[in-house]
Amino acid sequence: DAGVIQSPRHEVTEMGQEVTLRCKPISGHDYLFWYRQTMMRGLELLIYFNNNVPIDDSGMPEDRFSAKMPNASFSTLKIQPSEPRDSAVYFCASSSNPHNDGYTFGSGTRLTVV
Amino acid sequence: AQSVTQPDIHITVSEGASLELRCNYSYGATPYLFWYVQSPGQGLQLLLKYFSGDTLVQGIKGFEAEFKRSQSSFNLRKPSVHWSDAAEYFCVGAGGTSYGKLTFGQGTILTVHP
Repeated sequence: DAGVIQSPRHEVTEMGQEVTLRCKPISGHDYLFWYRQTMMRGLELLIYFNNNVPIDDSGMPEDRFSAKMPNASFSTLKIQPSEPRDSAVYFCASSSNPHNDGYTFGSGTRLTVV
Repeated sequence: AQSVTQPDIHITVSEGASLELRCNYSYGATPYLFWYVQSPGQGLQLLLKYFSGDTLVQGIKGFEAEFKRSQSSFNLRKPSVHWSDAAEYFCVGAGGTSYGKLTFGQGTILTVHP
């Protein structure tokens, strides 16, 4: 099993540009989570999906952020327009049974907005 | 509110010394509890989990944790720390009505001196 796959690993973009982060969950996992990690705020849950349906997006900072899961094997997190304060590491995680098994995390995407 | 608390932000130990990282939880019923480790520049990796049964659980990399209901604690221990254990450790909990959503503690950064 290749685990949770995120791309790109690193992204540097200019303020105002659109950024798209990608995630492929583990096959068979029907929960998918997007987290953001910064030194100041730690780990923050942005949104999570179950069976491709968004369940809780209360952590999405503002309308500039959007997430989709068009099918069971792919999800995107988009920021448009990006701002320097969006600089962070973004993690995707997946699970088939969160309470019993926890999550499996990807390696993250380090986003820098200049 | 359901939460997990890690009282220690930063702990320093010498290589070969024993380690105990503290975690307190606040859940009405028996919670699902986990410990994750994050090495520098890496994603989060599951160390161990507890949700019922034996209150002493064994994990990977020689770690163990003990669930103590009377103290609302789930402390992580290792008898002899290796330099490669230097990382950030997260206590994580789940339970209650919001199925799927795990609650992360603030994290404890472990520094290992040679």
